[in-house]
Amino acid sequence: KAGVTQTPRYLIKTRGQQVTLSCSPISGHRSVSWYQQTPGQGLQFLFEYFSETQRNKGNFPGRFSGRQFSNSRSEMNVSTLELGDSALYLCASSDSTGGGTGELFFGEGSRLTVL
Amino acid sequence: SQKIEQNSEALNIQEGKTATLTCNYTNYSPAYLQWYRQDPGRGPVFLLLIRENEKEKRKERLKVTFDTTLKQSLFHITASQPADSATYLCALGDYKLSFGAGTTVTVRA
Repeated sequence: KAGVTQTPRYLIKTRGQQVTLSCSPISGHRSVSWYQQTPGQGLQFLFEYFSETQRNKGNFPGRFSGRQFSNSRSEMNVSTLELGDSALYLCASSDSTGGGTGELFFGEGSRLTVL
Repeated sequence: SQKIEQNSEALNIQEGKTATLTCNYTNYSPAYLQWYRQDPGRGPVFLLLIRENEKEKRKERLKVTFDTTLKQSLFHITASQPADSATYLCALGDYKLSFGAGTTVTVRA
């Protein structure tokens, strides 16, 4: 089985721009979560989608949004980029269908640099 | 507020020794706890999950304990090898996993 695929792997943007990151989960996995990882804050939960519905959301401003498609692929968008948005954005999929007890399978991440 | 604390940022040990990492949590009542490994520039990789009714779990050279009274999990790497050098993260939650800051383990040959 192919793993979780994230694109692009690296990108550089300037303040005020917006960015869209893509994630293809493991085949058959219906849950997709997004995390932001920075040296100072560690791994922070952004949101989780299950069957195209946002099931849970972390404490991030509304500039951060996401969606999930019928094939379970997911995208996240960050608008009006700020320098502090520079981070590794990680997507993870899970085959959990109930209370989220499944292990997470992470992609390699999208490294965003905001100048 | 909920908090997950891992004992130290870095742990340096000699090859062959046992590394012991600690994960303490507050204001959680987790049904289970997970441990992940992360190498630089890579996504975390799942290692072990232990449920609240399990005291101990093993996988090859890894051992995890879970004490819900102490609100603590211990993660052991026995007979450590340089290839075990990585950052180890504990995680709690259900729909949204919350992660500790991680402990970076360096195994010296």
